[in-house]
Amino acid sequence: KQEVTQIPAALSVPEGENLVLNCSFTDSAIYNLQWFRQDPGKGLTSLLLIQSSQREQTSGRLNASLDKSSGRSTLYIAASQPGDSATYLCAVRTVWETSGSRLTFGEGTQLTVNP
Amino acid sequence: ETGVTQSPTHLIKTRGQQVTLRCSSQSGHNTVSWYQQALGQGPQFIFQYYREEENGRGNFPPRFSGLQFPNYSSELNVNALELDDSALYLCASSPGLAGSSYEQYFGPGTRLTVT
Repeated sequence: KQEVTQIPAALSVPEGENLVLNCSFTDSAIYNLQWFRQDPGKGLTSLLLIQSSQREQTSGRLNASLDKSSGRSTLYIAASQPGDSATYLCAVRTVWETSGSRLTFGEGTQLTVNP
Repeated sequence: ETGVTQSPTHLIKTRGQQVTLRCSSQSGHNTVSWYQQALGQGPQFIFQYYREEENGRGNFPPRFSGLQFPNYSSELNVNALELDDSALYLCASSPGLAGSSYEQYFGPGTRLTVT
């Protein structure tokens, strides 16, 4: 059974800091890994998708890495801004039953960037 | 914008009632998945449909059921509502085969409150 853990559960930093969010998963047989952002009371915004054959993906100030063999991913946010304040969720896509697939989510890291 | 829409946005029901939530996927997206997100937790996989058939279910009782239609719309039905069913319900669609590595695109969610 796939389990996803995110550390830390909450993080508060001053504006301008570079920061790293961590995600670990127990089953390395994954299709891909996605990082999402969720604002309070809202749905999920996809930030980055890393396929199992890839090592990292970048989008603007965000960089995500994937080490499938060790079951780890990190999300690096450069020069953080107050607008980055949100909950960040990591999810891995794995085979489910005969032919389906599913995303297994961590519980998220709640990020607060203080001006 | 992911092109995935959900209705209604918010819903309040009484314990024991039945509810239907709706999702409209992007054209060409053959796979739809539903997730339940309780407050403060990561989303949990409910089930997945591929070409109008269920092909994977998470740890949810049979009173959670779904339908997928040829026009890329789908429904989540919940019977005999319980207080613990209060949550944000998310649908996600993806193109191609159900077991593929395609990205999942999430809708904005329906907030269900059971009193």
